[in-house]
Amino acid sequence: KNEVEQSPQNLTAQEGEFITINCSYSVGISALHWLQQHPGGGIVSLFMLSSGKKKHGRLIATINIQEKHSSLHITASHPRDSAVYICAVNGNQFYFGTGTSLTVIP
Amino acid sequence: EAGVAQSPRYKIIEKRQSVAFWCNPISGHATLYWYQQILGQGPKLLIQFQNNGVVDDSQLPKDRFSAERLKGVDSTLKIQPAKLEDSAVYLCASSLDSGRAYNEQFFGPGTRLTVL
Repeated sequence: KNEVEQSPQNLTAQEGEFITINCSYSVGISALHWLQQHPGGGIVSLFMLSSGKKKHGRLIATINIQEKHSSLHITASHPRDSAVYICAVNGNQFYFGTGTSLTVIP
Repeated sequence: EAGVAQSPRYKIIEKRQSVAFWCNPISGHATLYWYQQILGQGPKLLIQFQNNGVVDDSQLPKDRFSAERLKGVDSTLKIQPAKLEDSAVYLCASSLDSGRAYNEQFFGPGTRLTVL
């Protein structure tokens, strides 16, 4: 069993749709990260959070420590949001989810 | 601020050959990580350095993989000899301090290795 589970694995959306990606984890953590990986392989850190909610532009990340669950929301999605979104947690080591592949169709 | 640098970006080798990857972290970042990401999977931590010391190498296949960070700055990861299953993207990341704390990692562009 993976320490970090993401859903869905794959997601296709129409441009403008509201998107939610979920992450559940089973270990104690000090922080949770949402990462974005484009087809070229490079990874960009979107959020690091340990409680509550953070917002950057059209991206919103929330975390519920008691339920060991986090969500990444994208409002007014755009084709350039197409990427793999990876959830990772700081436990006694870093644990990564397998990612959610998002395709936004114009 | 310059990001994490990695080279080469791509490498194709035959099985049983040797290969080395290089990473230069963000200036001042004490912690450096090497990850292996096989297609369709999330990154897997191979080794974590704090300055020039190893913090965690529990998932490093030590019979064929080695890594060093002699001066506590840049690092090399070597595979000798390579196997087909080593085909993956090798990601380097750095963070300001220990990865066990509340800390953000910055990733390099990765090296895509293909073993034929």
